[in-house]
Amino acid sequence: DAKTTQPPSMDCAEGRAANLPCNHSTISGNEYVYWYRQIHSQGPQYIIHGLKNNETNEMASLIITEDRKSSTLILPHATLRDTAVYYCIVRGFTGANSKLTFGKGITLSVRP
Amino acid sequence: NAGVTQTPKFRVLKTGQSMTLLCAQDMNHEYMYWYRQDPGMGLRLIHYSVGEGTTAKGEVPDGYNVSRLKKQNFLLGLESAAPSQTSVYFCASSYLGPQGTSHEQYFGPGTRLTVT
Repeated sequence: DAKTTQPPSMDCAEGRAANLPCNHSTISGNEYVYWYRQIHSQGPQYIIHGLKNNETNEMASLIITEDRKSSTLILPHATLRDTAVYYCIVRGFTGANSKLTFGKGITLSVRP
Repeated sequence: NAGVTQTPKFRVLKTGQSMTLLCAQDMNHEYMYWYRQDPGMGLRLIHYSVGEGTTAKGEVPDGYNVSRLKKQNFLLGLESAAPSQTSVYFCASSYLGPQGTSHEQYFGPGTRLTVT
């Protein structure tokens, strides 16, 4: 699986959009980009995933560049409850060995 | 649905003691996983299972054993606990989608284990 690079931390104001970047320059054609988050002391929570196209769900939007070497997770209206560590993960499409490799992630702090 | 539950939530062991962590899921998922998370680090996969009666090693399997006798349960055992096994343990499960796909993993709340 390709490696990802995320800045260690960022902050944003409550109510504003939070744009979390991720670089994955060695991603291969069959690898997906996943985002999970972990709110303090809780289990990780799945947010969204994508392959080539931009994706949106009730939690967030995922923008993947055309060359797929980077992506951005967008929380459109950040709240204090969105303060968490966000993990960008690249994983190949596989059934028998479907493990996720978590790095250190990016700590998002939402300020009032 | 309760989702993924873990028992116990907290435990303190002495070096050399044994214990079993229980993970249960009520979503009829085929895949189940055990991870550990140490302070300031991401999660590392210990063992996983792709179905009832099957298990496989992850990144850090030494010192742990697992069993999946029932589809809904995945047990993690420590035969002889060591201080290096002090960690937070997370269980996860995921479903088997079309063509063998498996995307979202659903995590339990974690078990905080201290070995003295």
